[in-house]
Parts: sequence; structure tokens; C-alpha cells
Amino acid sequence: EAQVTQNPRYLITVTGKKLTVTCSQNMNHEYMSWYRQDPGLGLRQIYYSMNVEVTDKGDVPEGYKVSRKEKRNFPLILESPSPNQTSLYFCASRLAGALYEQYFGPGTRLTVT
Amino acid sequence: KQEVTQIPAALSVPEGENLVLNCSFTDSAIYNLQWFRQDPGKGLTSLLLIQSSQREQTSGRLNASLDKSSGRSTLYIAASQPGDSATYLCAVCKETSGSRLTFGEGTQLTVNP
Repeated sequence: EAQVTQNPRYLITVTGKKLTVTCSQNMNHEYMSWYRQDPGLGLRQIYYSMNVEVTDKGDVPEGYKVSRKEKRNFPLILESPSPNQTSLYFCASRLAGALYEQYFGPGTRLTVT
Repeated sequence: KQEVTQIPAALSVPEGENLVLNCSFTDSAIYNLQWFRQDPGKGLTSLLLIQSSQREQTSGRLNASLDKSSGRSTLYIAASQPGDSATYLCAVCKETSGSRLTFGEGTQLTVNP
């Protein structure tokens, strides 16, 4: 089954404790992206990657890191999480080219206390 | 900066009704516009993608129109069903690479049996 998977689905952590949210897709997609969704602010793009070893900032990259060492994986790293990073996070992927639809993962709900 | 607005924020209709969801954007220089559906606890599902050169796209009971010059798009749902209950989001893409999407906050639709 073609899908985007994220792990973990739910995570509660404390301020400053490094964490990684994994994202993996099995569709051989070139493009991958991370979003966060917050009430009143909607979905905002954090980082995206056009292909392996090619990443760029989205609208809200502060406090986040990403890497794209393999085509199928695009982990989101929070080196020192803070409470304002409490949010619902989505990973998405698609084929290269703006006219292809994006496939979204199920989301990761992160709480930083 | 591109801003995307969706009105209404919430809508409740009886089953069988035809309905229209609205999306407006401030910068008409877009490359494409997409409509997504979001179910609680799940990721987004792509419904329709309209290129800037197109006026509308249809998929089953869904029809999306685009008026780029006025910065508006509508999603028409015919003969609504309880299974259509979800949050509907629109997103615009400015770049031909499709790397950056700007989302609206969504319209929460409830279709009552």
C-alpha cells in the first residue's frame, strides 16, 4: 500500500530533550515536506526537500532541523524542544513536479512541557 | 505575503444538500490551487488540483473552480452525504517548483443524516 508513515504518532516530552520524528514514504517520491498545524494558524511549512541531500526552509524553520540522506526518509529533528513547539506535525511527499498531488502522513501530536 | 482565507469556518447542512465552500487568496500570481480533506486523527487527502491556466476541475460529486484574477476558488459538493463530514482546506502554490504551499485554516463541514 502506498503510504507515508510517521513515528511516533503521539509524544509527550520535556523542554530541552532532543527528539526526532521519523517520516518514511514507499512511493519513490522526490519531494518531501514537513508542516505543523496549530489552531488559528492553520498548516505552516517547516522544511521541504526536493530530492536527496537537497533541503530548504519553509515558513517556520526556527528550532527545527531536517536531513535527507535517503530518498524514502525525511526525519524532523528538534534539538532543544520548547513548549511553543507543541503542535500537530505532518509529513508529506509527492513526485517531482508541482502538478502532482501530495500524500500526507497521519500526523504526530507533540506536547512539550 | 500570500494569505489564504476560507469562509465559512464551519458549516452544518442536512444530507442531500448541495453546498459551496469558499477560498480566497491575496496574491493572484499562483501556479496552482489544491483542495484537501482532513478527517479527525488523520492526515490530509488531496481532492482536486487546479492549474492556474484552468477554470475548474471535477471529481465525482466535487467540482472546484478557480478565478485567479479575483483571487477566489470554490469547492462545490453535490448531494452531500454524512461521509462528507470533514475539514476542507485549500492551499495555493506560487512557485513552478511547487515547493511552497500556503494553506487556509479550513472549513469544518458537518452533514447531518
